[in-house]
Amino acid sequence: EIVMTQSPATLSVSPGERATLSCRASQSVSSNLAWYQQKPGQAPRLLIYGASTRATGIPVRFSGSGSGTEFTLTISSLQSEDFAVYYCQQYKNWPPLLTFGGGTKVEIK
Amino acid sequence: QVQLQESGPGLVKPSETLSLTCTVSGGSIGTYYWSWIRQPPGKGLEWIGFIYYSGSTNSNPSLKSRVTISIDTSKNQFSLKLNSVTAADTAVYFCVRDLSGRYFDLWGRGTLVTVSS
Repeated sequence: EIVMTQSPATLSVSPGERATLSCRASQSVSSNLAWYQQKPGQAPRLLIYGASTRATGIPVRFSGSGSGTEFTLTISSLQSEDFAVYYCQQYKNWPPLLTFGGGTKVEIK
Repeated sequence: QVQLQESGPGLVKPSETLSLTCTVSGGSIGTYYWSWIRQPPGKGLEWIGFIYYSGSTNSNPSLKSRVTISIDTSKNQFSLKLNSVTAADTAVYFCVRDLSGRYFDLWGRGTLVTVSS
């Protein structure tokens, strides 16, 4: 099983500032990585797939980068609606064993 | 637009079987993979398994012996059965559209299932 580790667990950021979230895989997943945003009481929403491709309707302030074992989600200028928990997920193998990271909570500083 | 809606009992007794159904509306269940994902209260996400519209399935090895996923294309529904449940199976269960068995672009709102006597 590929283990996904996210850091930090909590990130305190002021509105308008940049947020940088990290995700590390226990072995290479190439670019087979997705990012999701989850707000309290809601289902997750797909933000990024293929490590760097924004999903439909996702604002350009969200960007993903990385490959192999190290990945980053950057939110260039945090808006009030961006305070949430973010999860990474790998989908390298077939048949898949799809695994998620433990999440990073982005909170208001 | 396509929407997913989970349905089923919110309370299941230990050792019994959890049964949930997901109804897909606004579009066809065909040509996609469909997954179940769960989230224990206050915790992270765990993929349970998927089914392709043709009926082929794959599931998380940690749950495989207890999981059955089925599909009824005539009703635009797919279902999850998880047997021999314990308190550790208490979670919000999401049904999800799965792009090629890889990542998840459309989610139901989720349904809380509590395992308790």
